[in-house]
Amino acid sequence: KAGVTQTPRYLIKTRGQQVTLSCSPISGHRSVSWYQQTPGQGLQFLFEYFSETQRNKGNFPGRFSGRQFSNSRSEMNVSTLELGDSALYLCASSSNAGLMGNTEAFFGQGTRLTVV
Amino acid sequence: DQQVKQNSPSLSVQEGRISILNCDYTNSMFDYFLWYKKYPAEGPTFLISISSIKDKNEDGRFTVFLNKSAKHLSLHIVPSQPGDSAVYFCAASGSGTDKLIFGTGTRLQVFP
Repeated sequence: KAGVTQTPRYLIKTRGQQVTLSCSPISGHRSVSWYQQTPGQGLQFLFEYFSETQRNKGNFPGRFSGRQFSNSRSEMNVSTLELGDSALYLCASSSNAGLMGNTEAFFGQGTRLTVV
Repeated sequence: DQQVKQNSPSLSVQEGRISILNCDYTNSMFDYFLWYKKYPAEGPTFLISISSIKDKNEDGRFTVFLNKSAKHLSLHIVPSQPGDSAVYFCAASGSGTDKLIFGTGTRLQVFP
């Protein structure tokens, strides 16, 4: 069974540009979450999608957005990039179909975004 | 507001000894806790979890202890091995929410 796939692995963008990151979850998983990892900040929750609907959202500005497609693949978009957006962006999928949080999430390798 | 805290950014342990990684949380609604391990250039991988109805869960060399009254959990690795060297994140979630709240991580270094 293939794992969570994130593309691209590395990305360099200029301030003010926008970027789209992609995540393909494990087959059969319908929940996809996005996290930002920066040194000293751990993994900060961005948002979670389930069946094409955003179910949870973290405390990030509106420049960060996402969507999920009918095949559960998800994209994350960041507009008007800032230097502080440089981070590792991780996607996680889980089979959680309900409201119980007792499900482990499986992570992709992440996309390393550098904003210059 | 950091709801899940790992106050030790790093830990160094000799091979064969016990590694104890600590995690504190503030939200009493959390009822499921997980530990993830992360190597450089890889995504976090699930290690072990514990539900709030238990106070201990063991899986091989890894044991997680939960103290609900203190809102504290710990991960014990016995015996520690060099391959355990990684960053360890604790995470928490609560009924009614599917998002995991992560701590800032503890870098474990196991030396020979």
